[in-house]
Amino acid sequence: DQQVKQNSPSLSVQEGRISILNCDYTNSMFDYFLWYKKYPAEGPTFLISISSIKDKNEDGRFTVFLNKSAKHLSLHIVPSQPGDSAVYFCAASGGGSNYKLTFGKGTLLTVNP
Amino acid sequence: EAGVTQSPTHLIKTRGQQATLRCSPISGHTSVYWYQQALGLGLQFLLWYDEGEERNRGNFPPRFSGRQFPNYSSELNVNALELEDSALYLCASSRQGRDTDTQYFGPGTRLTVL
Repeated sequence: DQQVKQNSPSLSVQEGRISILNCDYTNSMFDYFLWYKKYPAEGPTFLISISSIKDKNEDGRFTVFLNKSAKHLSLHIVPSQPGDSAVYFCAASGGGSNYKLTFGKGTLLTVNP
Repeated sequence: EAGVTQSPTHLIKTRGQQATLRCSPISGHTSVYWYQQALGLGLQFLLWYDEGEERNRGNFPPRFSGRQFPNYSSELNVNALELEDSALYLCASSRQGRDTDTQYFGPGTRLTVL
């Protein structure tokens, strides 16, 4: 049972445009959500997080939106840069399992120059 | 500030052997988490240590075990290695084991079982 789903295995965008990565979750007890970026042969790098008491959090070019009623979150990257090309993982925690993160399977973002 | 470090970078073992993986958390972090990323799968939670105690484990057999030392570094041991144990093993640390404490990851240990 996959509690965190990233339905798009890959996404390709042009440099300078917006990248939108989506994530859905099924466990309504999740209350903390994170996005990580991962390059090949490296560990995931923390990007941005959002608590369930908020619906938006911004950090520079990265904005995460949370829609609790739809159990959906998205990561917006504006403007996209070639160095953003990586696998992006959505993760969630909370609801009694606050000791662990439940990850989606990732979306490979390719930003073309 | 130094990040999470893991050793070795790569480890090659044969089936039936034991593997030991090591992790040093970020200074000031007391919680250490282990995750497995097998080919084609997402990151799966393995173990959580906090203040020297195992606090919880994921859906993995008892062959996967570990410990946390007084300096908060951690070891993951995998006994009786099987081919499907081949994976990237990631260690993460956080200040405490609360769900709002961001987990920061190390570079991982690539374990190959032949």
